[in-house]
Amino acid sequence: ILNVEQSPQSLHVQEGDSTNFTCSFPSSNFYALHWYRWETAKSPEALFVMTLNGDEKKKGRISATLNTKEGYSYLYIKGSQPEDSATYLCASGTDKLIFGTGTRLQVFP
Amino acid sequence: DVKVTQSSRYLVKRTGEKVFLECVQDMDHENMFWYRQDPGLGLRLIYFSYDVKMKEKGDIPEGYSVSREKKERFSLILESASTNQTSMYLCASSSPRGLQETQYFGPGTRLLVL
Repeated sequence: ILNVEQSPQSLHVQEGDSTNFTCSFPSSNFYALHWYRWETAKSPEALFVMTLNGDEKKKGRISATLNTKEGYSYLYIKGSQPEDSATYLCASGTDKLIFGTGTRLQVFP
Repeated sequence: DVKVTQSSRYLVKRTGEKVFLECVQDMDHENMFWYRQDPGLGLRLIYFSYDVKMKEKGDIPEGYSVSREKKERFSLILESASTNQTSMYLCASSSPRGLQETQYFGPGTRLLVL
């Protein structure tokens, strides 16, 4: 993998559903993995920065895991709420951050 | 709270105009970045700066220049705007301790070049 890739591109879930999405990144020369949430008409906001293989981070109903050996990170949202609707970006890199195209999440009441 | 502000949320310019996009951060960050966001593409780095009067090309610098005369301000300049520069432009800043540092973003400027 030469780029940072995210899947799925978009996701529609019902309120209360749990969901997860994936970020794949080059595993060689890994330095850090970032997750951001970008709500419409707002600034992208940092969720997590992860640096160690096996790292797990949690912020309320949102959590993330990191596997640097195989080059992927998962973001989980438990019990999705309409306010979770946003685009979720991940980024990684060696000398500068490379961003994925994002997963656009829409949570319907 | 870190605050990164951008001079305009929306901007409409004509082809050939010189365009200035201003970004100001209030956290005394050394690093500042300019990105553009286009549908189906990730944020792409245009230019960045690690210090006053320093600038480095990112992945897509063609057609752009930057200026950093003061630590808190990083300007992106479109010397002669073209329609393919219609995009969302995001500024960010971070402290200098490496790629594990969070980047703090402004709200973006949506530029339309007619």
